[in-house]
Amino acid sequence: EIVLTHSPGTLSLSPGERATLSCRASQSVSSSHLAWYQQKPGQAPRLLIYGASSRATGIPDRFSGSGSGTDFTLTISRLEPEDFAVYFCQQYGSSLGYTFGQGTKLEIK
Amino acid sequence: QVQLQQSGPGLVKPSQTLSLTCAISGDSVSSNSAAWNWIRQSPSRGLEWLGRTYYRSMWYFDYAVSVKSRITISPDTPKNQFSLHLNSVTPEDTAVYYCARGIEAVDYWGQGTLVTVSS
Repeated sequence: EIVLTHSPGTLSLSPGERATLSCRASQSVSSSHLAWYQQKPGQAPRLLIYGASSRATGIPDRFSGSGSGTDFTLTISRLEPEDFAVYFCQQYGSSLGYTFGQGTKLEIK
Repeated sequence: QVQLQQSGPGLVKPSQTLSLTCAISGDSVSSNSAAWNWIRQSPSRGLEWLGRTYYRSMWYFDYAVSVKSRITISPDTPKNQFSLHLNSVTPEDTAVYYCARGIEAVDYWGQGTLVTVSS
């Protein structure tokens, strides 16, 4: 099973700053099978990025994804107040289904 | 717009069966391009994929190894919904359960159901 590890666990930033979130896989992941989600308290996760770098419908262009192999990054170019949440990466493993990382909490500094 | 509406009890006794249903609008459970998943989330286990069903000229079912001996996912084409049945539950199965649409990335989620396993 592929294990996804986020870093940092918690990121404290101010609105307007740039956020860089990392997701590292225990073995190589196809870029087309890597996604990022945002989750706010009491809500279901929301798809932000699929295929490592494609924005989902309605996602602002301040969100971008990059990476390949075992190292993937979610970047938020200029933080808005509504961006403070928990972010998860997820990989798809064919019949093995999905695995998710434990998440990075992005909090207001 | 796809919407997934979950229903089912929030409290289940240990050793009994947890059953949840997900009603689909805006898509079809027998779509040839979608898969229908159950995912749960708890503080101790994080987001955990449980299994899925999808139709590609016949029905397919994939289950997570961790629950494979206890889980059944059932599509209901006349009602356009799918269900989760997890038997022999223990307090470790306490979690928020989500139904979700996705083949690779999950693009639509149900509202979530908190299921507590307790006597």
